[in-house]
Amino acid sequence: GDSVTQMEGPVTLSEEAFLTINCTYTATGYPSLFWYVQYPGEGLQLLLKATKADDKGSNKGFEATYRKETTSFHLEKGSVQVSDSAVYFCALYGGYNKLIFGAGTRLAVHP
Amino acid sequence: GAVVSQHPSWVICKSGTSVKIECRSLDFQATTMFWYRQFPKQSLMLMATSNEGSKATYEQGVEKDKFLINHASLTLSTLTVTSAHPEDSSFYICSAILDKYGYTFGSGTRLTVV
Repeated sequence: GDSVTQMEGPVTLSEEAFLTINCTYTATGYPSLFWYVQYPGEGLQLLLKATKADDKGSNKGFEATYRKETTSFHLEKGSVQVSDSAVYFCALYGGYNKLIFGAGTRLAVHP
Repeated sequence: GAVVSQHPSWVICKSGTSVKIECRSLDFQATTMFWYRQFPKQSLMLMATSNEGSKATYEQGVEKDKFLINHASLTLSTLTVTSAHPEDSSFYICSAILDKYGYTFGSGTRLTVV
């Protein structure tokens, strides 16, 4: 079945460091791909999305490119801030209106 | 933008009692809503899909008699945890589908059963 694999966390970075969180997926066809962010004690917020191969989703300085050939959707940001500390979930639209989530990657950014 | 309001944000209940969690779509009609459970430091586990006016569809392994879902209107879905026990303590999150490219999530309910 469809699945999403994310790099294990936690990821700990200094402020202004470069961030990459890896995400690969297994799916039939070409699903829509998403990154969600969860701040402590809150629900999920959509960070960005890509609906077809080679699309680049971007928001708040974060970017991810839908790579069909490597079945990947890695999240990147050039300069992280302390306020980016959160848990990041990669997800795909698995059909039947269902989102399939990765395990989540906790990011901690310190000053 | 489309907002889903989830209430309460946290609740503590005694073992054996029931707890109801509400999920409301504030500015759109949500034909379909989803209920997730999240254990500490883990991903979201889909519990059930709630469709307005019909029975919910539960994922394998989820007890439908323990987690009662009602979606009586296009703006409200409720999850009732019946006869709660400490192992039911968790973070519950609802979500509504906007279209196949967009979902919106509630802010979650932290349930603690003592």
